[in-house]
Amino acid sequence: ETGVTQSPTHLIKTRGQQVTLRCSSQSGHNTVSWYQQALGQGPQFIFQYYREEENGRGNFPPRFSGLQFPNYSSELNVNALELDDSALYLCASSFQGADTQYFGPGTRLTVL
Amino acid sequence: AQSVTQLGSHVSVSEGALVLLRCNYSSSVPPYLFWYVQYPNQGLQLLLKYTTGATLVKGINGFEAEFKKSETSFHLTKPSAHMSDAAEYFCAVSGGFAGGTSYGKLTFGQGTILTVHP
Repeated sequence: ETGVTQSPTHLIKTRGQQVTLRCSSQSGHNTVSWYQQALGQGPQFIFQYYREEENGRGNFPPRFSGLQFPNYSSELNVNALELDDSALYLCASSFQGADTQYFGPGTRLTVL
Repeated sequence: AQSVTQLGSHVSVSEGALVLLRCNYSSSVPPYLFWYVQYPNQGLQLLLKYTTGATLVKGINGFEAEFKKSETSFHLTKPSAHMSDAAEYFCAVSGGFAGGTSYGKLTFGQGTILTVHP
């Protein structure tokens, strides 16, 4: 069984740029959630995707957007990057209706 | 709305001593409760969870937690700390099936860094 994978591992961008982060779900999982973990804080829910549609969103502006593909993999896109977007971005997969999410290793984004 | 408070951002214990990490939650629906562990530069690993049923739940690596509804608590314990337990621990709550469109959304506490001294 393959776990959740994320790419890239690290990324450095400058303010105003756009970034795309990728996530592959654990085998058999059809739901993907994204979280932002700023340094020294707990993860914060960005949004969840199920059946290729957004299925719940946290308190993040529209410049955070996502996609889910037919194979259940997912992308997180962030436009007009700000310094405060520097964080570890975590992807978690689950089966819709199940109570547990399984996390990937994260992508460390640094915005200069 | 849901929230989690973890009391103590840093906890330090000696190897072999009791580990107690505190978590209090607030939830407008019956909560699902989780403890995750995060090692440096890694993602989150599930330690244990409470959904329904028995209020004392056992997890991996000798950890356990007890759901106390009257105290809105879900403290994590381990009888004897090991050096390999040094990590950051996160308590989280979700609304489970009652979460509506936010089903599966996890709300995390700020985390507790556990240090284990030889």
